[in-house]
Amino acid sequence: EAGVVQSPRYKIIEKKQPVAFWCNPISGHNTLYWYRQNLGQGPELLIRYENEEAVDDSQLPKDRFSAERLKGVDSTLKIQPAELGDSAVYLCAPNAPRETNTDTQYFGPGTRLTVL
Amino acid sequence: DAKTTQPTSMDCAEGRAANLPCNHSTISGNEYVYWYRQIHSQGPQYIIHGLKNNETNEMASLIITEDRKSSTLILPHATLRDTAVYYCIGDSGGGADGLTFGKGTHLIIQP
Repeated sequence: EAGVVQSPRYKIIEKKQPVAFWCNPISGHNTLYWYRQNLGQGPELLIRYENEEAVDDSQLPKDRFSAERLKGVDSTLKIQPAELGDSAVYLCAPNAPRETNTDTQYFGPGTRLTVL
Repeated sequence: DAKTTQPTSMDCAEGRAANLPCNHSTISGNEYVYWYRQIHSQGPQYIIHGLKNNETNEMASLIITEDRKSSTLILPHATLRDTAVYYCIGDSGGGADGLTFGKGTHLIIQP
């Protein structure tokens, strides 16, 4: 997982509560993605960042989801208020470090959110 | 991105070669075939990718048919730690716009 830290690893909240996830990749990643993975499904893209700019947030439910990437390194994904259907694993994926010159993504371990 | 079709699950005996098929009959000429795997409670992990030629690295080999409509990921000597969901993805930009995952193949390595 190439040094991608996500916190918390697990979160249980009641519906209508807010929640935030953090992603701390090692430096050197221009591009960063957030994915959501429902049980038994593959990950689905939520938002893509190029440095600090969100260049594709078309799949992000903007009524309740927000994200930011300050200084083009760490990133935060927030849900307010959470709904039962938001229960999923939220994955952060920086692209490969610039010096490797490859087009692959490195995924963090994810945050498993349970909304009761 | 090309639509890919994979079997839902497969079993393989430990120590044997695991051959995971993927159909991508609508793949376009500039789309690569990528393979990722996801071990339980972890994020997906890149394995290998290729365009036309067969590829091999320390993890696996990728065999792409001449017409590029299908491919096979080969784990030459499967171990119990290879039990995971394996995703085959067609993408022209290295996933730069974000990867499109299907449901993948759940590979179970039997002792």
